[in-house]
Amino acid sequence: SQKIEQNSEALNIQEGKTATLTCNYTNYSPAYLQWYRQDPGRGPVFLLLIRENEKEKRKERLKVTFDTTLKQSLFHITASQPADSATYLCALDMSGFNKFYFGSGTKLNVKP
Amino acid sequence: EAGVAQSPRYKIIEKRQSVAFWCNPISGHATLYWYQQILGQGPKLLIQFQNNGVVDDSQLPKDRFSAERLKGVDSTLKIQPAKLEDSAVYLCASSLGVDYNSPLHFGNGTRLTVT
Repeated sequence: SQKIEQNSEALNIQEGKTATLTCNYTNYSPAYLQWYRQDPGRGPVFLLLIRENEKEKRKERLKVTFDTTLKQSLFHITASQPADSATYLCALDMSGFNKFYFGSGTKLNVKP
Repeated sequence: EAGVAQSPRYKIIEKRQSVAFWCNPISGHATLYWYQQILGQGPKLLIQFQNNGVVDDSQLPKDRFSAERLKGVDSTLKIQPAKLEDSAVYLCASSLGVDYNSPLHFGNGTRLTVT
């Protein structure tokens, strides 16, 4: 069965540093992958989408990479701020019909 | 644009009771999803609709859960009878359609507590 793994331990970093979050998957080759941010008591909010033929995607301070050989996506936040503190979820379309399965998320804490 | 609306925001029921959740997606979004999110876990897909048809309900516990999307707009998710392990946040999401690589837009969910 498909498995999507994100580091369950919280990531604690200092303000201004780059945060790097990992999403690993097995037993599938998704056509594309999305990253979401979730704040306590709120639904996930879409951040970035990357397709299998794209190695890297950027949006402001965010960068996503997608390595289909390693079956891994990395999500980077540069110049992190305390406001970036949240849980970050990766989601893979396992069917090609916009049907998304989510990882368990990684909690990011950015300290001032 | 208005976001995905869900109600109620919170619900507390006793086990074996029934409960229903309501979702109104973003106007024009053909695809609607219900996810279950247990504390500390990622959202788990329960059912996906395209307009008023079911695309996938393979992870929906059909002995107790049911969902419908009459007229291809609003949707309701029902649990009957509820079990303690159903305590979770139920998230509704919508997207443009299954043929688009489009993001999911989530509501803020209904937090269900079963006692």
